[in-house]
Amino acid sequence: EAGVTQFPSHSVIEKGQTVTLRCDPISGHDNLYWYRRVMGKEIKFLLHFVKESKQDESGMPNNRFLAERTGGTYSTLKVQPAELEDSGVYFCASSQFPLAGGTNTQYFGPGTRLTVL
Amino acid sequence: GEDVEQSLFLSVREGDSSVINCTYTDSSSTYLYWYKQEPGAGLQLLTYIFSNMDMKQDQRLTVLLNKKDKHLSLRIADTQTGDSAIYFCAEIRSNDYKLSFGAGTTVTVRA
Repeated sequence: EAGVTQFPSHSVIEKGQTVTLRCDPISGHDNLYWYRRVMGKEIKFLLHFVKESKQDESGMPNNRFLAERTGGTYSTLKVQPAELEDSGVYFCASSQFPLAGGTNTQYFGPGTRLTVL
Repeated sequence: GEDVEQSLFLSVREGDSSVINCTYTDSSSTYLYWYKQEPGAGLQLLTYIFSNMDMKQDQRLTVLLNKKDKHLSLRIADTQTGDSAIYFCAEIRSNDYKLSFGAGTTVTVRA
């Protein structure tokens, strides 16, 4: 079974440019999450999709970030325009059910390392 | 302060035991997790413990939970070079689905 995949693995852009990150969850997983780790700090929740609907986007930093999940399959996270503080590693995770207990696991992708110069 | 705190670095000799510590602040945390991130890889769930337990053992891994002090630890017995990675402590609160992570502890295993 294929795991969660993310593309690209690395992205280097200049301040003011636009970047789009992609996440392909595990097939059949309705729940998709985005997290971010900035500057070696803690990994922080960004948002949660259930199928194509945004269940919780309370962690999105500001309106420069736009996440979509058309058709309830893969998801994209667009940053426009990118700022220096957006640099970090963006992780995607998926789960079959919403995580309400220990046995229901969120499976993480390898992350996309974004560097904004 | 942050909700989940961990020390940033740990160096251990191959064959010794490693102990990684974590503290959390929310008493409503229901499950606590340890994730491992190897270079270039995603976050791998190592183990978890429910908040009404105080210990869980899984092969070389032992998780200890002191709920009164809100302290969680992960002990790795007979540490191997393949255990070199970043270890993240995480919690989830009652009726929630968001994982709250610590900053990660980088474990380096030396020969």
